Amino acid sequence: DAKTTQPNSMESNEEEPVHLPCNHSTISGTDYIHWYRQLPSQGPEYVIHGLTSNVNNRMASLAIAEDRKSSTLILHRATLRDAAVYYCILRDASTTDSWGKLQFGAGTQVVVTP
Amino acid sequence: DVKVTQSSRYLVKRTGEKVFLECVQDMDHENMFWYRQDPGLGLRLIYFSYDVKMKEKGDIPEGYSVSREKKERFSLILESASTNQTSMYLCASSYGQRGARGYTFGSGTRLTVV
Repeated sequence: DAKTTQPNSMESNEEEPVHLPCNHSTISGTDYIHWYRQLPSQGPEYVIHGLTSNVNNRMASLAIAEDRKSSTLILHRATLRDAAVYYCILRDASTTDSWGKLQFGAGTQVVVTP
Repeated sequence: DVKVTQSSRYLVKRTGEKVFLECVQDMDHENMFWYRQDPGLGLRLIYFSYDVKMKEKGDIPEGYSVSREKKERFSLILESASTNQTSMYLCASSYGQRGARGYTFGSGTRLTVV
């Protein structure tokens, strides 16, 4: 399975944007890029996903490099409630063998400072 | 919104007890998953199911079994609980067979085996 690499932690001031990088140099053409976040004492929460084009939703934006070897999750205005571990995960859409299993890495701990 | 409900938030059991962790989802998702989460090890997949009465082993199935008699319910069973099964257990569900869809997670059950 293709792997992802994320920084261990990032710090941001409240109300400033946060750019979370993810490297996935071995991504295949059928891998979707998914982002989840996990708040303290909660289960992971789906944030956004994309394949080739940049994506926006109410929670965040996902910018995907042209060669797809990296992507960036953008939180436009960080709030204290955005303090969480953010996971970048690749999911292969070409096969049913994995039945869509998610393989979580260590993620990035985001700290938001008032 | 899709909801995944885990029957207990906190559970304390004795070594050797048979333990049932219940998970119910309300959006007719085909796929359901059980993960455990431990500090430093991240989320690891125990078992998953892509249909009623179907089950597949994940990465760490030893010491666990599962049951899926109805589409909306997926149970994780610890046949004889041991202290190394003290962990946070997370249930998730998803729709469809391909990698494009997001997961919905429950809030987790923190199990302590004494």
